[in-house]
Amino acid sequence: GENVEQHPSTLSVQEGDSAVIKCTYSDSASNYFPWYKQELGKRPQLIIDIRSNVGEKKDQRIAVTLNKTAKHFSLHITETQPEDSAVYFCAAKQIPDSSYKLIFGSGTRLLVRP
Amino acid sequence: DVKVTQSSRYLVKRTGEKVFLECVQDMDHENMFWYRQDPGLGLRLIYFSYDVKMKEKGDIPEGYSVSREKKERFSLILESASTNQTSMYLCATRGLAHEQFFGPGTRLTVL
Repeated sequence: GENVEQHPSTLSVQEGDSAVIKCTYSDSASNYFPWYKQELGKRPQLIIDIRSNVGEKKDQRIAVTLNKTAKHFSLHITETQPEDSAVYFCAAKQIPDSSYKLIFGSGTRLLVRP
Repeated sequence: DVKVTQSSRYLVKRTGEKVFLECVQDMDHENMFWYRQDPGLGLRLIYFSYDVKMKEKGDIPEGYSVSREKKERFSLILESASTNQTSMYLCATRGLAHEQFFGPGTRLTVL
């Protein structure tokens, strides 16, 4: 089955700097890769996702890149702000569903220092 | 706006007690999930349900069971709570675009 590894587990950056979180997956059939953000005391929420027919997707200050050959994908946050501080989870699955399961990485705690 | 609610935000139970965690959604989603969240371990799937009365084991089903008698409600049951089940429990539903919508979570402490 699918396995997703996420690095680093913690990341501290200065406000205004960029942050990069990387995930690798094991199942080459996976083609849907979402990223969730969980602020302290709140529920995880989808912030961006990418499907395997594209290599990069941007939404304002966040972007996700996908390398299917190497089976890894990354979240990039530019011009970080204190409100970006949160735990970020990557995930992977195959769609249409061969399984209903979404496999999550172990999470990255991002701290943006003012 | 999707709404997923959980019956309790905080719960304290004793070892051996039977515990019910309830999740209710208002978006008519077929798929519902129960995860537990522990530091450094991410979100681990306990059980999921793809339709009423249908359920499948996730990655860590031992010590848990579930019930889905109505489409909007998915219950997680700890038959005999143990201290290693102290955790944050998150319910989620899945929309047509594959996005998962999470509830606010229940922090369960088993003494």
